[in-house]
Amino acid sequence: DARVTQTPRHKVTEMGQEVTMRCQPILGHNTVFWYRQTMMQGLELLAYFRNRAPLDDSGMPKDRFSAEMPDATLATLKIQPSEPRDSAVYFCASGTGQANIQYFGAGTRLSVL
Amino acid sequence: ELKVEQNPLFLSMQEGKNYTIYCNYSTTSDRLYWYRQDPGKSLESLFVLLSNGAVKQEGRLMASLDTKARLSTLHITAAVHDLSATYFCAADSGGGADGLTFGKGTHLIIQP
Repeated sequence: DARVTQTPRHKVTEMGQEVTMRCQPILGHNTVFWYRQTMMQGLELLAYFRNRAPLDDSGMPKDRFSAEMPDATLATLKIQPSEPRDSAVYFCASGTGQANIQYFGAGTRLSVL
Repeated sequence: ELKVEQNPLFLSMQEGKNYTIYCNYSTTSDRLYWYRQDPGKSLESLFVLLSNGAVKQEGRLMASLDTKARLSTLHITAAVHDLSATYFCAADSGGGADGLTFGKGTHLIIQP
């Protein structure tokens, strides 16, 4: 059963600490997305990659967030330094580009104290 | 900037009833998506609508797309409790830009 795998599932950290979230897309999928979900803002696109190249990161605060794809099986989202307003659920999704169907991982629930 | 608006944002209904969720989007979009999210869970793809007049059905759910009106609907027929969830519509900007813009979601509660 192919699925997008995200780790960790939960993360509690203190303000100022570095946070790294990881995503393993479905094998064969060439497009990877990062979204953030909060009660106030809903679901927001942060960044996405196609064939490991960043195509759009306009939704991401550049001063503290960074997204990379070191290889085709791993995408990372880093926050440094973290702030309480970064508390949210971060979803990774992957797809093949066909009809742009995106398959979502279970999410990383981040709490910054 | 693409904007997606859903209504209602909250809906409580009884089993056996029919209802429709509406999704308006602000600019020309090639494709419209519907997702389901259960509390504390991930998003599950329900439908992808690719062209004007597209209609797709799965069980008690039916989605349609009118690109001229920039409107998609999700119709629930004879609701059952298991359909209680939050439903999101989303659109992409087209032209190869694949990131989705989501509506705020419709929180649906179906009571016995």
